[in-house]
Amino acid sequence: GAGVSQSPRYKVAKRGQDVALRCDPISGHVSLFWYQQALGQGPEFLTYFQNEAQLDKSGLPSDRFFAERPEGSVSTLKIQRTQQEDSAVYLCASSTLAGDNYEQYFGPGTRLTVT
Amino acid sequence: LAKTTQPISMDSYEGQEVNITCSHNNIATNDYITWYQQFPSQGPRFIIQGYKTKVTNEVASLFIPADRKSSTLSLPRVSLSDTAVYYCLVDPGGYQKVTFGTGTKLQVIP
Repeated sequence: GAGVSQSPRYKVAKRGQDVALRCDPISGHVSLFWYQQALGQGPEFLTYFQNEAQLDKSGLPSDRFFAERPEGSVSTLKIQRTQQEDSAVYLCASSTLAGDNYEQYFGPGTRLTVT
Repeated sequence: LAKTTQPISMDSYEGQEVNITCSHNNIATNDYITWYQQFPSQGPRFIIQGYKTKVTNEVASLFIPADRKSSTLSLPRVSLSDTAVYYCLVDPGGYQKVTFGTGTKLQVIP
């Protein structure tokens, strides 16, 4: 089956614009994560969903960041009034809660550049 | 969340075995140790996970001493395609808020 997909792969936004980043997880995966990865750094946790419930949003850097997963499958990360410091790669990952396998399956990411 | 420490970078010649050690002094009883690999312009990819002693799969081996305060990822006979960043994570499982750190950049030299 298909892996995790993200769209768009690249997004250029002018400062102040709103953007929406989409994640299609692996079908049937209960858990969904969003990460932000700055250049040369490891991924930083943003938020976590279990089905449609957003159980942890402690990593969202400001109230300009909003994520949703209304039907427990596709998720959207929205950034309002983008700033230059929002430029990064945004990664989505999904996983199953079954057994002892804690592997997260990552998508290719969306590279956001704010000019 | 337990913090991990690993070397920033390593170089290795093709065909050699590479060992990357990670320290996690504050690992909790329920934590697993997980390694991911990341190539440029791609998301991280799971390599191996273990709780204690030794785990081996088709890609790598993971050695964990009895005190679990460190772990070593072993890549046998690396090739140029193994050039990547390798992340060591302490993973509480279930709901998995994990911290990636900066990883180890492995450069394989021909």
